[in-house]
Amino acid sequence: NAGVTQTPKFQVLKTGQSMTLQCAQDMNHEYMSWYRQDPGMGLRLIHYSVGAGITDQGEVPNGYNVSRSTTEDFPLRLLSAAPSQTSVYFCASSYLTIGDTEAFFGQGTRLTVV
Amino acid sequence: GIQVEQSPPDLILQEGANSTLRCNFSDSVNNLQWFHQNPWGQLINLFYIPSGTKQNGRLSATTVATERYSLLYISSSQTTDSGVYFCAVEDSGGSNYKLTFGKGTLLTVNP
Repeated sequence: NAGVTQTPKFQVLKTGQSMTLQCAQDMNHEYMSWYRQDPGMGLRLIHYSVGAGITDQGEVPNGYNVSRSTTEDFPLRLLSAAPSQTSVYFCASSYLTIGDTEAFFGQGTRLTVV
Repeated sequence: GIQVEQSPPDLILQEGANSTLRCNFSDSVNNLQWFHQNPWGQLINLFYIPSGTKQNGRLSATTVATERYSLLYISSSQTTDSGVYFCAVEDSGGSNYKLTFGKGTLLTVNP
């Protein structure tokens, strides 16, 4: 079991460039989500999905798009990178059954926008 | 939204010492987890503990849901225990299954 796998681990972008952060899980979890971690702000929810074909916005969705075509994959797209998007990004997944909602996180992607 | 407060914010220990970290939350929860963020930034699951007590080696955790707090105990600390410990909760009244994180406790264990 690989758990939650994120790629890449590190990325440097120029302002205005676009890119996709990949996230895959092999635990058949219904729920997947993206967080960003900034100093002093903790982890904040960007987008989430409760199943294939269903996505919704979290606290800080502006500048990001997501899609969920399969149960396993939940990519995060940065449309036009800005320095304010410099952060560490975490993908997480879990079941949705109450009492069994333990979240598992990927190893993170450290993104710098210059 | 739900508020999560962790204490203490910083803790420095000598190797071998014991410690207790606390997490208070402001509303009822479906989920409470403790994580260790290691110096490389990885978030490691320690406990999934919305209520009750669990133990895993030198670590144990207790959540008293009715009183809205959780405690993480670290015994015989080692230098590899250093890092940030986060408590995260899912509000039982929430609609997006979001985990709300506390600000963390930065633990430094000196040899």
